[in-house]
Amino acid sequence: QVTLRESGPALVKPTQTLTLTCTFSGFSLSTSGMCVSWIRQPPGKALEWLARIDWDDDKYYSTSLKTRLTISKDTSKNQVVLTMTNMDPVDTATYYCARIFEMGNWFDPWGQGTLVTVSS
Amino acid sequence: SYVLTQPPSVSVAPGKTARITCGGNNIGSKSVHWYQQKPGQAPVLVIYYDSDRPSGIPERFSGSNSGNTATLTISRVEAGDEADYYCQVWDSSSDQGVFGGGTKLTVL
Repeated sequence: QVTLRESGPALVKPTQTLTLTCTFSGFSLSTSGMCVSWIRQPPGKALEWLARIDWDDDKYYSTSLKTRLTISKDTSKNQVVLTMTNMDPVDTATYYCARIFEMGNWFDPWGQGTLVTVSS
Repeated sequence: SYVLTQPPSVSVAPGKTARITCGGNNIGSKSVHWYQQKPGQAPVLVIYYDSDRPSGIPERFSGSNSGNTATLTISRVEAGDEADYYCQVWDSSSDQGVFGGGTKLTVL
């Protein structure tokens, strides 16, 4: 059974750096074709794709957020970490991680999500 | 960047058929995936590769994709189908994941 779980601070202050960790089980990021993505959803709004890291360490970022995002993986710990710098109240959202297959590029399954609020 | 356009809302009576569209420039040349999201829950994949259903998804859910429009069809709609639905593609020209704006399905 594949599961993913997001963890990180529930509250960050404006200008701070957010660090989120996705801990997963049931698959390995060292397996060819496996990838993990981060997606966010502001309250009441649509899903927004943020970043993706592949089994071979290829990385992809949202064009609009590229300068603020860094994605990395620790294969031995089955974890993917996303950092987002210079947080702003508009970044308040539920942040999800999800497995993605390089071949098909669909997200399945998703973690439960973690709500991050940006406020002073 | 590639844009996916969905109607904000669709309403349907129980037992009828709901069709949710996802528009994009030559979307028929891309693989489209669909997600169902109920309030307070994470999205769940309901259709991948335009028309394939993951295990556990009822046969009432189907998909099609041609030209500039992809469509998620839900037959014999039930109250439990009420949710937000999102289409998604991977834009290989920019190496970006792209989601539509979402459609709220209301079961009357």
